[in-house]
Amino acid sequence: DGGITQSPKYLFRKEGQNVTLSCEQNLNHDAMYWYRQDPGQGLRLIYYSQIVNDFQKGDIAEGYSVSREKKESFPLTVTSAQKNPTAFYLCASSINPDTPGYTFGSGTRLTVV
Amino acid sequence: GKNIDQPTEMTATEGAIVQINCTYQTSGFNGLFWYQQHAGEAPTFLSYNVLDGLEEKGRFSSFLSRSKGYSYLLLKELQMKDSASYLCAVYNDYKLSFGAGTTVTVRA
Repeated sequence: DGGITQSPKYLFRKEGQNVTLSCEQNLNHDAMYWYRQDPGQGLRLIYYSQIVNDFQKGDIAEGYSVSREKKESFPLTVTSAQKNPTAFYLCASSINPDTPGYTFGSGTRLTVV
Repeated sequence: GKNIDQPTEMTATEGAIVQINCTYQTSGFNGLFWYQQHAGEAPTFLSYNVLDGLEEKGRFSSFLSRSKGYSYLLLKELQMKDSASYLCAVYNDYKLSFGAGTTVTVRA
């Protein structure tokens, strides 16, 4: 079955450490997205990629980095520069940037202690 | 810029109808989505409107007025499992922008 996989589901890290969240899809989708969700808030866009080897900053990119070396993979690194990294992170993909409609992963809950 | 507003919370009784309003002011518009999200889970797709009017899908309906920057999601015959957060999202410039979500609580 095709889908989008995020791992791990729960992640704990010490303050000051970088951490990478995985997002893999086997849907052959061109576009991929990373969102952050805080309690009682909607999804806020961190980074997105419309095609392999290209990505753009979203609304809250500071303290985060991404890569898109393969069509299937769009990992997100939360760096020590991110001041408040504890949140629920959601990855999504779409067939191509011109076609609306996302497939979401199940999310990773990151807790920094 | 973008501004997408929806009420924070709504409460309704099982079997009743609830209407969740969403207003938006965005620099462009290519469609409006509604998603349902249960706590700790990913959003699931409910509806998509790109033209004005009402789209009906079972117990859920969604309405769009582009000239007014307004949409609503109508949930009929409420069930306990409908207790969730409902997210309004505008598609523009190849990506979705989300409102803060409306938490709906269904009471017996």
